[in-house]
Amino acid sequence: EVQLVESGGGLVKPGGSLRLSCTGSDFSFSSYTMHWVRQAPGKGLEWVSSISTSSSTMYYTDSVKGRFTISRDNAQNSLYLQMNNLRAEDTAVYYCARGKKIRLYYYIDYWGQGTLVTVSS
Amino acid sequence: AIQLTQSPSSLSASIGDRVTIACRTSQGISNALAWYQHKPGRPPKFLIFDVSSLESGVPSRFSGSGSGTDFTLTINSLQAEDFATYYCQQFYVYPYSFGQGTKLEI
Repeated sequence: EVQLVESGGGLVKPGGSLRLSCTGSDFSFSSYTMHWVRQAPGKGLEWVSSISTSSSTMYYTDSVKGRFTISRDNAQNSLYLQMNNLRAEDTAVYYCARGKKIRLYYYIDYWGQGTLVTVSS
Repeated sequence: AIQLTQSPSSLSASIGDRVTIACRTSQGISNALAWYQHKPGRPPKFLIFDVSSLESGVPSRFSGSGSGTDFTLTINSLQAEDFATYYCQQFYVYPYSFGQGTKLEI
């Protein structure tokens, strides 16, 4: 059974930093694109960032560009999200998710349980 | 960025009903559309990809259709476990945007 386990969430003050981690197991981590998706309290899902298998390509939603950095360590089956200059609007549950190529496109097929990030003074 | 608009935002239904949720995209996305089911406190569940292909293990009462910019998720014969929030998401181009969600309530 594919497992994705996030960690690193918590309470941080505006302007602060946090690093989220995600460890994958029971699948070939290095063969999959990986994503971060978030859900703010009472809001819908928002795609945040993606990284290719070899870390050659990263993508970000506009609201986090220049503040968040996605990275991965395939040897450790791990995905990371470095979040700097955090704002109140970054408060959300952050999900680590796996991207699987099905025919032409890379769909998100598995998600972790999520880790809560709260940005508040 | 491609915008996805779901309708309705919420929907009341009963066990055994047939419901339809719409997802409209701001530009064509070929068939790069997926649907997810999300229940509180749990991770989203992957239901449908390529507009109409059912993910393994998903009950056949779920189906997807559409083309161009208009897509639909249909649930036939609603079961108790189907009451949740449903999201469409496009995988045609980054950013991989979601619809705002449709909450299906009893």
